[in-house]
Amino acid sequence: AQSVTQPDIHITVSEGASLELRCNYSYGATPYLFWYVQSPGQGLQLLLKYFSGDTLVQGIKGFEAEFKRSQSSFNLRKPSVHWSDAAEYFCAVGMMEYGNKLVFGAGTILRVKS
Amino acid sequence: ETGVTQSPTHLIKTRGQQVTLRCSSQSGHNTVSWYQQALGQGPQFIFQYYREEENGRGNFPPRFSGLQFPNYSSELNVNALELDDSALYLCASSLVPTADEQYFGPGTRLTVT
Repeated sequence: AQSVTQPDIHITVSEGASLELRCNYSYGATPYLFWYVQSPGQGLQLLLKYFSGDTLVQGIKGFEAEFKRSQSSFNLRKPSVHWSDAAEYFCAVGMMEYGNKLVFGAGTILRVKS
Repeated sequence: ETGVTQSPTHLIKTRGQQVTLRCSSQSGHNTVSWYQQALGQGPQFIFQYYREEENGRGNFPPRFSGLQFPNYSSELNVNALELDDSALYLCASSLVPTADEQYFGPGTRLTVT
């Protein structure tokens, strides 16, 4: 069955420090992978997506993610975190054979300390 | 260009009641998907509508039903509410069912007591 695992429920980083959020997926076909961010009381905003091609993808707000097929991973990174990055982050796999049904991980809550 | 909107923002219902949630798609989008996000969890796919027809369904019972209208707005109906239905309900619209990007609304927070 398709699934997405985000091993870290909470992560705390200092402002200006680097960030890596982990994501592992289980999916039989070529994955379409996404990272979304959700601020409290808000909907989901797409940060970046991977469909094919270059395995390092750039997104908005200075985020990037790297697809590693051998590790079934799609980790999100940012070189320098800002206080405004505090939010919850969701990794998702898109099942295109079902009209791009998204299967989400449980999320990682990012706290930024000054 | 207007984004995805949802109404109401919050509502409280009693177990056994019925509820209707509404979603207006982004302009030009003919596909709407609904997701349920329970507290502390990621969103779960309920179903998708494309051109007024259901186009895929997740693992939700039949008491979760939907409609899509000719203007591509959509409703999610839940009958016989249970306490576990308390969640944030998100709708997302896209240009076509296989579009690479879905645009999410802010959600409706449903509390069942």
